[in-house]
Amino acid sequence: KAGVTQTPRYLIKTRGQQVTLSCSPISGHRSVSWYQQTPGQGLQFLFEYFSETQRNKGNFPGRFSGRQFSNSRSEMNVSTLELGDSALYLCASTLAGGTNTGELFFGEGSRLTVL
Amino acid sequence: DQQVKQNSPSLSVQEGRISILNCDYTNSMFDYFLWYKKYPAEGPTFLISISSIKDKNEDGRFTVFLNKSAKHLSLHIVPSQPGDSAVYFCAASAAGGTSYGKLTFGQGTILTVHP
Repeated sequence: KAGVTQTPRYLIKTRGQQVTLSCSPISGHRSVSWYQQTPGQGLQFLFEYFSETQRNKGNFPGRFSGRQFSNSRSEMNVSTLELGDSALYLCASTLAGGTNTGELFFGEGSRLTVL
Repeated sequence: DQQVKQNSPSLSVQEGRISILNCDYTNSMFDYFLWYKKYPAEGPTFLISISSIKDKNEDGRFTVFLNKSAKHLSLHIVPSQPGDSAVYFCAASAAGGTSYGKLTFGQGTILTVHP
């Protein structure tokens, strides 16, 4: 069974540009979440999508947005990039059915560098 | 406001000894707690979890203890092995049926196990 796949793995952008990251969840998983990891901040929750609807949102500015498609694949977009957006962006999926156990399956992440 | 805190940025232990990683939380709504392990250039992988109705959960060399009154949990690794060297994240989730993808993470503890 294939794991969570994120593309691209690495990318470099300049301030003011925008970026789109893609995530393919584990087959059958309907919930996709996005996290930002920066040194000293740990993993911070961005948003979660389920059945093409944003179900939860973290405390990030509106420049950060996402969407989910009917096949559960998800994209996140960051507009007007700032230096502080440099981070590892992690996607995670879960079955999202029955008891909430909280176990997420993470991809390897997309490393974004903003110059 | 850091709702989940790992106050030790790093921990160094000898192979064969016990590793104890600690985590504190402030949100009383959290009812499920997890530990994730992360190697460089990889996404976090689920290690072990515990529900708030329990105070201990064991899985092989890994045991998680929960003290709800103190809002504290710990991960014990016995015996520690060099392959356990990684960053360990504590995470928490709240029940409600719509929180599947939303975990609140601590900042992580870098564990180094010396041969």
